[in-house]
Amino acid sequence: AQTVTQSQPEMSVQEAETVTLSCTYDTSENNYYLFWYKQPPSRQMILVIRQEAYKQQNATENRFSVNFQKAAKSFSLKISDSQLGDTAMYFCAFMKHEGYGGATNKLIFGTGTLLAVQP
Amino acid sequence: EPEVTQTPSHQVTQMGQEVILRCVPISNHLYFYWYRQILGQKVEFLVSFYNNEISEKSEIFDDQFSVERPDGSNFTLKIRSTKLEDSAMYFCASRDTGDYGYTFGSGTRLTVV
Repeated sequence: AQTVTQSQPEMSVQEAETVTLSCTYDTSENNYYLFWYKQPPSRQMILVIRQEAYKQQNATENRFSVNFQKAAKSFSLKISDSQLGDTAMYFCAFMKHEGYGGATNKLIFGTGTLLAVQP
Repeated sequence: EPEVTQTPSHQVTQMGQEVILRCVPISNHLYFYWYRQILGQKVEFLVSFYNNEISEKSEIFDDQFSVERPDGSNFTLKIRSTKLEDSAMYFCASRDTGDYGYTFGSGTRLTVV
């Protein structure tokens, strides 16, 4: 079974600075996807960034980037130029690749990191 | 941008009562999901639904739970006899073929009293 671990329950960063959130996972699968989801106080789950395990290049989305270390099973999220609107719970999630026709492709979530951006 | 819509946003129910949580997935999506988040805990998979049938369900999804896609647009989660421990945020999600990124709804907060 796959597991996802986020070892930082809470973090704080000053506005405009950079912060890195950690995530490790355990799997025997070779083909999978990794995600970071943001959950602001509104409680909606918003996809921040995704990474395909077969791609060596780290994914980036504007101020958000990941450091994907497949051998170490590590998937950290870096937020640059932090903004007040980045304050949220951040969840790391794993999805086993079942193929495009796979009927499940369920997400397995970590316990989350609560990020507070201070003015 | 297409959205997944969930109603109601908050529901309070008496223990033992039946509740139906409603979701309207994105119209051309084929895969549908329900997840649950007990306050302060992680998000947990409940069930996946494809081609008008359950494709996988978790241990949480026991006989008290059922899902249905009654009319081709709505996707519902029914809890037959609610327990106090069913109090949680319930998220509906959908995705398209070939896209592994889910779109989540904004959730229904269920409070069982």
